[in-house]
Amino acid sequence: DIQMTQSPSSLSASVGDRVTISCRASHSISTYLHWFQQKPGKAPKLLIYAASSLQSGVPSRFSGNGSGTDFTLTITSLQPEDFATYYCQQAYSTPRTFGQGTKVEIK
Amino acid sequence: QVTLRESGPALVKPTQTLTLTCTFSGFSLSTSGMSVSWIRQPPGKALEWLARIDWDDAKYFSTSLGTRLSISKDTSKNHVVLTLTNMDPVDTATYYCARAAVTVLDYWGQGALVTVSS
Repeated sequence: DIQMTQSPSSLSASVGDRVTISCRASHSISTYLHWFQQKPGKAPKLLIYAASSLQSGVPSRFSGNGSGTDFTLTITSLQPEDFATYYCQQAYSTPRTFGQGTKVEIK
Repeated sequence: QVTLRESGPALVKPTQTLTLTCTFSGFSLSTSGMSVSWIRQPPGKALEWLARIDWDDAKYFSTSLGTRLSISKDTSKNHVVLTLTNMDPVDTATYYCARAAVTVLDYWGQGALVTVSS
């Protein structure tokens, strides 16, 4: 199985901050990498697919980058509604695997 | 409009078999490239991918749970059914079903909390 490792596990940030979350795959996955946002008690929501494509309806302050084994999710100018947990997921091979999550908290 | 909804028991006893149904609308699981996956999330923990069934009836399973899992579809009823045998308290989780168009899990159900307790 491909292991997905996110860093950091959690971070504290203020409204307006720029935030970057990293995701590393144990094997090269090309750009078969998706990012999800999850708020408490809710289902995950797709933000970014294929490493860098913005899902329809997602604000442009979210962006994704990377290929191979190293990927990043960046939120420019963090908004109050962005405080949530973020997960990466590889879709290169089955079984699919998720990172352990990064919780973005209010400073 | 694509929707998915999970249904099944909220409480199961240890050693029992869990059967969950995902009822969906807005797409057909007969369409090339479509699939439905199951993902679970223990309270306070990360997402764990469990299984997937494709439009052509191909099936894929978690490595760690594979022998306990089965998945099936009824295309005419727009249902996907997941079974997990020999339930244990560590299987307590919210279980989600999600659609994938090609590789992307783009629509999710609201989730169903299943508690394993005697």
